[in-house]
Amino acid sequence: ILNVEQSPQSLHVQEGDSTNFTCSFPSSNFYALHWYRWETAKSPEALFVMTLNGDEKKKGQISATLNTKEGYSYLYIKGSQPEDSATYLCASSNSGYALNFGKGTSLLVTP
Amino acid sequence: KAGVTQTPRYLIKTRGQQVTLSCSPISGHRSVSWYQQTPGQGLQFLFEYFSETQRNKGNFPGRFSGRQFSNSRSEMNVSTLELGDSALYLCASSFNDVQETQYFGPGTRLLVL
Repeated sequence: ILNVEQSPQSLHVQEGDSTNFTCSFPSSNFYALHWYRWETAKSPEALFVMTLNGDEKKKGQISATLNTKEGYSYLYIKGSQPEDSATYLCASSNSGYALNFGKGTSLLVTP
Repeated sequence: KAGVTQTPRYLIKTRGQQVTLSCSPISGHRSVSWYQQTPGQGLQFLFEYFSETQRNKGNFPGRFSGRQFSNSRSEMNVSTLELGDSALYLCASSFNDVQETQYFGPGTRLLVL
């Protein structure tokens, strides 16, 4: 099983800071890349699904980019708020039917 | 629209027993996937079903099995439970495959004593 790697493992920022996370994944036979937001005691919440090289997606203050040729994706949060505190997961697929997840980046935003 | 539901939410079993977990997908979704999360590990893919057919299986022993019914509801079964099977089990549903948004349920937390 080829690994999906996320960095950093954890991040602590102040309210209003902008931040970004990295996800690296196997670029061969790429099919899809997902980002999720997972708060404790809740279900993982889908943020983005990206399938094409160069894709850029945006949802409120959160955006993501995708480079399938080199196998990486960035997630950006502009002006972090305490309610953005969560674990952010990325997952890639090269089969169409299974997602390989990274271990996540744990974000804490303090007032 | 109701979300993905999983039952039971919590379960305590002892080693050697078997367990069945259930997942009801969002109405209209035909693909159901199962994932396991253990402490310190990312979500690990177990298997995926579409229209009652298993299309993919992760690297888990044969003690882990699943099925999908004609109404797209899915069950997974773990036989001869081991302590290491203690985990959060999540299911996710979508219309077709992973090029679409996967909607996750709240999970079943299994504790094996």
